[in-house]
Amino acid sequence: SQTIHQWPATLVQPVGSPLSLECTVEGTSNPNLYWYRQAAGRGLQLLFYSVGIGQISSEVPQNLSASRPQDRQFILSSKKLLLSDSGFYLCAWSGTGAATDTQYFGPGTRLTVL
Amino acid sequence: KNQVEQSPQSLIILEGKNCTLQCNYTVSPFSNLRWYKQDTGRGPVSLTIMTFSENTKSNGRYTATLDADTKQSSLHITASQLSDSASYICVVSVRRGSTLGRLYFGRGTQLTVWP
Repeated sequence: SQTIHQWPATLVQPVGSPLSLECTVEGTSNPNLYWYRQAAGRGLQLLFYSVGIGQISSEVPQNLSASRPQDRQFILSSKKLLLSDSGFYLCAWSGTGAATDTQYFGPGTRLTVL
Repeated sequence: KNQVEQSPQSLIILEGKNCTLQCNYTVSPFSNLRWYKQDTGRGPVSLTIMTFSENTKSNGRYTATLDADTKQSSLHITASQLSDSASYICVVSVRRGSTLGRLYFGRGTQLTVWP
Protein backbone atom coordinates (compact mmCIF):
# COMPACT_ATOMS: atom_id res chain seq x y z
CA SER A 1 0.00 0.00 0.00
CA GLN A 2 1.03 3.57 -0.54
CA THR A 3 2.09 5.86 2.27
CA ILE A 4 3.16 9.47 2.35
CA HIS A 5 5.46 10.97 4.96
CA GLN A 6 6.20 14.53 5.90
CA TRP A 7 8.71 15.97 8.32
CA PRO A 8 9.10 17.70 10.51
CA ALA A 9 5.64 17.61 12.05
CA THR A 10 6.05 21.02 13.63
CA LEU A 11 8.59 23.78 13.14
CA VAL A 12 9.18 27.17 14.71
CA GLN A 13 11.55 29.41 12.80
CA PRO A 14 12.62 33.06 13.08
CA VAL A 15 11.91 35.52 10.29
CA GLY A 16 14.71 35.51 7.74
CA SER A 17 15.81 31.94 8.42
CA PRO A 18 15.85 29.24 5.73
CA LEU A 19 13.29 26.47 5.40
CA SER A 20 13.31 22.92 4.17
CA LEU A 21 10.28 20.64 4.41
CA GLU A 22 10.47 17.14 3.06
CA CYS A 23 7.85 14.81 1.68
CA THR A 24 8.34 11.22 0.57
CA VAL A 25 5.97 8.69 -0.91
CA GLU A 26 6.24 4.92 -0.68
CA GLY A 27 4.51 2.15 -2.57
CA THR A 28 4.06 3.89 -5.91
CA SER A 29 6.19 5.10 -8.77
CA ASN A 30 6.09 8.24 -10.90
CA PRO A 31 3.41 9.93 -8.82
CA ASN A 32 2.27 13.49 -9.27
CA LEU A 33 3.29 15.43 -6.17
CA TYR A 34 1.75 18.56 -4.68
CA TRP A 35 2.49 21.11 -1.98
CA TYR A 36 -0.42 22.93 -0.36
CA ARG A 37 -0.61 25.57 2.34
CA GLN A 38 -3.54 25.92 4.69
CA ALA A 39 -3.67 29.20 6.57
CA ALA A 40 -5.80 29.44 9.69
CA GLY A 41 -9.49 29.59 8.75
CA ARG A 42 -8.70 29.33 5.05
CA GLY A 43 -8.99 26.64 2.44
CA LEU A 44 -6.10 24.73 0.97
CA GLN A 45 -4.01 26.68 -1.50
CA LEU A 46 -2.00 24.81 -4.10
CA LEU A 47 1.59 26.07 -4.10
CA PHE A 48 3.48 23.71 -6.39
CA TYR A 49 2.96 20.52 -8.30
CA SER A 50 5.32 18.15 -10.05
CA VAL A 51 4.66 15.55 -12.72
CA GLY A 52 8.21 14.17 -12.73
CA ILE A 53 11.76 14.48 -11.45
CA GLY A 54 13.00 18.03 -11.83
CA GLN A 55 9.62 19.22 -13.17
CA ILE A 56 8.10 21.87 -10.94
CA SER A 57 5.13 24.11 -11.64
CA SER A 58 4.32 27.05 -9.42
CA GLU A 59 0.72 28.07 -8.90
CA VAL A 60 1.24 31.34 -7.05
CA PRO A 61 4.15 33.79 -6.84
CA GLN A 62 5.69 33.62 -3.41
CA ASN A 63 8.71 33.38 -1.21
CA LEU A 64 8.91 29.61 -1.50
CA SER A 65 10.41 27.14 -3.97
CA ALA A 66 10.07 23.43 -4.54
CA SER A 67 12.32 20.70 -5.86
CA ARG A 68 11.95 17.05 -6.78
CA PRO A 69 15.39 15.45 -6.67
CA GLN A 70 14.03 11.91 -6.73
CA ASP A 71 10.88 10.28 -8.09
CA ARG A 72 9.19 10.03 -4.71
CA GLN A 73 10.74 12.96 -2.89
CA PHE A 74 9.36 16.49 -2.88
CA ILE A 75 11.00 19.35 -1.00
CA LEU A 76 9.62 22.76 -0.11
CA SER A 77 12.21 25.44 0.59
CA SER A 78 12.75 29.07 1.34
CA LYS A 79 15.94 31.12 1.63
CA LYS A 80 14.39 33.68 3.97
CA LEU A 81 11.13 33.06 5.78
CA LEU A 82 8.49 35.76 6.17
CA LEU A 83 5.85 36.03 8.88
CA SER A 84 3.23 35.36 6.22
CA ASP A 85 4.78 31.95 5.53
CA SER A 86 3.28 30.61 8.76
CA GLY A 87 0.69 27.93 8.15
CA PHE A 88 -0.02 24.25 7.81
CA TYR A 89 1.81 22.69 4.87
CA LEU A 90 0.44 19.59 3.27
CA CYS A 91 2.08 17.35 0.72
CA ALA A 92 -0.09 15.16 -1.48
CA TRP A 93 0.36 12.60 -4.21
CA SER A 94 -1.80 11.29 -7.00
CA GLY A 95 -1.59 8.92 -9.90
CA THR A 96 -1.37 10.21 -13.43
CA GLY A 97 -3.96 10.72 -16.16
CA ALA A 98 -7.47 10.12 -14.85
CA ALA A 99 -6.04 9.21 -11.46
CA THR A 100 -4.97 12.79 -10.86
CA ASP A 101 -8.49 13.47 -9.56
CA THR A 102 -7.69 11.54 -6.40
CA GLN A 103 -5.08 13.08 -4.15
CA TYR A 104 -3.80 11.51 -0.95
CA PHE A 105 -2.50 13.83 1.72
CA GLY A 106 0.37 13.53 4.14
CA PRO A 107 0.10 14.33 7.87
CA GLY A 108 1.23 17.94 7.37
CA THR A 109 3.83 20.27 8.88
CA ARG A 110 2.82 23.11 11.17
CA LEU A 111 5.18 26.04 10.49
CA THR A 112 5.26 29.05 12.79
CA VAL A 113 7.44 31.97 11.79
CA LEU A 114 8.21 34.36 14.65
CA LYS B 1 -14.63 31.98 -11.73
CA ASN B 2 -14.21 28.52 -10.24
CA GLN B 3 -15.30 28.57 -6.62
CA VAL B 4 -16.41 26.18 -3.92
CA GLU B 5 -18.49 27.59 -1.08
CA GLN B 6 -19.35 25.67 2.07
CA SER B 7 -21.86 26.34 4.79
CA PRO B 8 -22.11 26.65 7.65
CA GLN B 9 -18.61 27.79 8.53
CA SER B 10 -18.89 26.05 11.89
CA LEU B 11 -21.43 23.85 13.60
CA ILE B 12 -21.89 22.46 17.10
CA ILE B 13 -24.16 19.50 17.72
CA LEU B 14 -24.79 17.06 20.55
CA GLU B 15 -23.57 13.51 20.36
CA GLY B 16 -26.09 11.23 18.70
CA LYS B 17 -27.72 13.97 16.64
CA ASN B 18 -27.70 14.22 12.85
CA CYS B 19 -26.37 17.11 10.79
CA THR B 20 -26.06 18.21 7.17
CA LEU B 21 -23.23 20.20 5.64
CA GLN B 22 -23.65 22.09 2.38
CA CYS B 23 -21.38 22.70 -0.59
CA ASN B 24 -22.13 24.90 -3.62
CA TYR B 25 -19.74 25.12 -6.52
CA THR B 26 -19.28 27.02 -9.75
CA VAL B 27 -16.45 24.84 -11.05
CA SER B 28 -16.42 23.88 -14.70
CA PRO B 29 -15.86 21.53 -16.44
CA PHE B 30 -16.87 19.29 -13.57
CA SER B 31 -15.09 15.99 -13.10
CA ASN B 32 -16.00 14.84 -9.60
CA LEU B 33 -16.76 16.03 -6.10
CA ARG B 34 -15.15 14.68 -2.99
CA TRP B 35 -15.74 15.21 0.71
CA TYR B 36 -12.70 15.09 2.97
CA LYS B 37 -12.50 14.89 6.75
CA GLN B 38 -9.60 16.70 8.35
CA ASP B 39 -8.86 16.15 12.01
CA THR B 40 -7.07 19.01 13.74
CA GLY B 41 -3.39 19.03 12.84
CA ARG B 42 -3.73 16.16 10.38
CA GLY B 43 -3.96 15.78 6.64
CA PRO B 44 -7.39 15.45 4.96
CA VAL B 45 -8.79 11.97 4.44
CA SER B 46 -11.27 11.21 1.70
CA LEU B 47 -14.81 10.19 2.77
CA THR B 48 -16.70 9.97 -0.51
CA ILE B 49 -16.25 10.74 -4.19
CA MET B 50 -19.09 11.39 -6.61
CA THR B 51 -19.07 11.75 -10.36
CA PHE B 52 -21.54 13.65 -12.52
CA SER B 53 -23.98 10.74 -12.81
CA GLU B 54 -24.12 9.84 -9.12
CA ASN B 55 -26.77 11.34 -6.83
CA THR B 56 -26.03 9.64 -3.54
CA LYS B 57 -23.13 7.80 -2.01
CA SER B 58 -22.76 6.45 1.51
CA ASN B 59 -19.78 5.58 3.66
CA GLY B 60 -20.98 4.25 6.99
CA ARG B 61 -22.72 7.07 8.82
CA TYR B 62 -21.75 9.56 6.11
CA THR B 63 -24.06 10.09 3.13
CA ALA B 64 -23.20 12.52 0.36
CA THR B 65 -25.63 13.82 -2.25
CA LEU B 66 -24.93 15.60 -5.49
CA ASP B 67 -27.23 17.68 -7.69
CA ALA B 68 -25.16 18.43 -10.78
CA ASP B 69 -27.91 20.63 -12.23
CA THR B 70 -27.92 23.06 -9.32
CA LYS B 71 -24.23 22.40 -8.55
CA GLN B 72 -24.91 21.57 -4.95
CA SER B 73 -23.73 18.79 -2.68
CA SER B 74 -24.48 17.88 0.89
CA LEU B 75 -22.86 15.64 3.47
CA HIS B 76 -25.22 14.13 6.02
CA ILE B 77 -23.81 12.66 9.20
CA THR B 78 -26.08 10.29 11.11
CA ALA B 79 -25.91 9.58 14.84
CA SER B 80 -22.88 11.77 15.38
CA GLN B 81 -20.00 10.65 17.56
CA LEU B 82 -17.35 12.62 19.39
CA SER B 83 -14.81 11.41 16.84
CA ASP B 84 -16.75 13.19 14.10
CA SER B 85 -15.41 16.49 15.42
CA ALA B 86 -13.30 17.74 12.53
CA SER B 87 -13.24 20.02 9.53
CA TYR B 88 -15.15 18.72 6.53
CA ILE B 89 -13.87 19.94 3.21
CA CYS B 90 -15.68 19.86 -0.12
CA VAL B 91 -13.36 19.46 -3.09
CA VAL B 92 -14.38 19.72 -6.74
CA SER B 93 -12.17 18.44 -9.50
CA VAL B 94 -11.88 19.71 -13.05
CA ARG B 95 -9.96 18.15 -15.86
CA ARG B 96 -7.23 20.43 -17.15
CA GLY B 97 -5.91 19.00 -20.35
CA SER B 98 -5.25 15.28 -20.43
CA THR B 99 -2.47 15.10 -17.89
CA LEU B 100 -3.40 16.90 -14.73
CA GLY B 101 -6.63 17.45 -12.89
CA ARG B 102 -7.11 20.55 -10.81
CA LEU B 103 -8.83 20.56 -7.43
CA TYR B 104 -10.83 23.42 -5.99
CA PHE B 105 -11.20 23.38 -2.22
CA GLY B 106 -13.88 24.83 -0.03
CA ARG B 107 -12.82 26.41 3.25
CA GLY B 108 -14.42 23.65 5.20
CA THR B 109 -17.09 23.36 7.87
CA GLN B 110 -15.74 22.96 11.39
CA LEU B 111 -17.95 20.44 13.17
CA THR B 112 -17.81 20.05 16.93
CA VAL B 113 -19.70 17.24 18.61
CA TRP B 114 -20.41 17.72 22.31
CA PRO B 115 -21.13 14.88 24.73
